[in-house]
Amino acid sequence: NAGVTQTPKFQVLKTGQSMTLQCAQDMNHNSMYWYRQDPGMGLRLIYYSASEGTTDKGEVPNGYNVSRLNKREFSLRLESAAPSQTSVYFCATQGSRNTEAFFGQGTRLTVV
Amino acid sequence: KNEVEQSPQNLTAQEGEFITINCSYSVGISALHWLQQHPGGGIVSLFMLSSGKKKHGRLIATINIQEKHSSLHITASHPRDSAVYICAVFSGGGADGLTFGKGTHLIIQP
Repeated sequence: NAGVTQTPKFQVLKTGQSMTLQCAQDMNHNSMYWYRQDPGMGLRLIYYSASEGTTDKGEVPNGYNVSRLNKREFSLRLESAAPSQTSVYFCATQGSRNTEAFFGQGTRLTVV
Repeated sequence: KNEVEQSPQNLTAQEGEFITINCSYSVGISALHWLQQHPGGGIVSLFMLSSGKKKHGRLIATINIQEKHSSLHITASHPRDSAVYICAVFSGGGADGLTFGKGTHLIIQP
């Protein structure tokens, strides 16, 4: 039982490059989330998906796109990376709004 | 949208001390999360609570829904408890997901 698997763990991009962060969960949860964590700030919601086939913007969606490929997988894409997107990214799942949250191990992304 | 404040931001204590971390939020909620993050590591859920008190080993979490306040206590603290402790609540305001405090960086010295 892997829980929430996030790849890659580390990535360095040049400004303007694109990449996709992958997240997969084996917990059969409906809700999946992408957060970013920056120094001195709490985690902030980028996008979320309440169920397969639906996605919605969170607090800081600009510069990102997401895909809920199926119930297990929720990917985050940076089309044209900018230095401001240097951050640690976490994928998370919850069975429903008032249940325990489970997090992936994080992706440390540096954009130079 | 819910706002979450944690205190203290940083805490250094000696091994064996009783530790208290506080969390307050602005909008009524049905559940609050306490999370732990070790340096360079992932985020682990410690507690989710909606009323009263929960205990797991040396960790105790309490919540007062009326006062919009929660505390995380660590008894007989140990260097391995050194981590960032994060409080989170449902965001509200039309958006799904959690709103997080900035975290409390705890260091337990031997």
